[in-house]
Amino acid sequence: AQSVAQPEDQVNVAEGNPLTVKCTYSVSGNPYLFWYVQYPNRGLQFLLKYITGDNLVKGSYGFEAEFNKSQTSFHLKKPSALVSDSALYFCAVRDGNSGYALNFGKGTSLLVTP
Amino acid sequence: SQTIHQWPATLVQPVGSPLSLECTVEGTSNPNLYWYRQAAGRGLQLLFYSVGIGQISSEVPQNLSASRPQDRQFILSSKKLLLSDSGFYLCAGGTLTNEKLFFGSGTQLSVL
Repeated sequence: AQSVAQPEDQVNVAEGNPLTVKCTYSVSGNPYLFWYVQYPNRGLQFLLKYITGDNLVKGSYGFEAEFNKSQTSFHLKKPSALVSDSALYFCAVRDGNSGYALNFGKGTSLLVTP
Repeated sequence: SQTIHQWPATLVQPVGSPLSLECTVEGTSNPNLYWYRQAAGRGLQLLFYSVGIGQISSEVPQNLSASRPQDRQFILSSKKLLLSDSGFYLCAGGTLTNEKLFFGSGTQLSVL
């Protein structure tokens, strides 16, 4: 079975500084990796995905993530954080070789302060 | 683009009562559909997913069940709710062609 770990419950960043939200995964087949964002009392919104190809994936709102197979990681990054980036961020994984279950991490709360 | 309709937004039910949450999809055919539960505003737990009409995969044993009577309809049910069924329930749908899930706005269920 596949799983995702987000080791940080919360990440605090000052506006204008770079941000990183960490994610590591475990999957027996090919990892399909995703980042989603959730604003209060809402459903999740897709940010970006890695299926195959370039290890650096660019997504919505200036976010990017780097797939690192040797470290089984897929960290979310942004060069310059905005206060409006404050939200709950979820990493997710699907085993591309089998099944359609998409499993999410427990989420990381990002707080960007002015 | 795809849209996931989910209702009701809020539901308060007594312990032992039945439950039916409905989710419908617009803008695509033959989507994969998912039910997630989010406890206390944090981690998402995958409850069920479906790749087609009548096809349900259960990820965790529990008091809930799911059904997919039509291609774009996914229903989460319970015969008798427990206190532990309280939570924020999210329906999601997507296709394998773009591997992107669209989420409904969620149902906040309180079992009292």
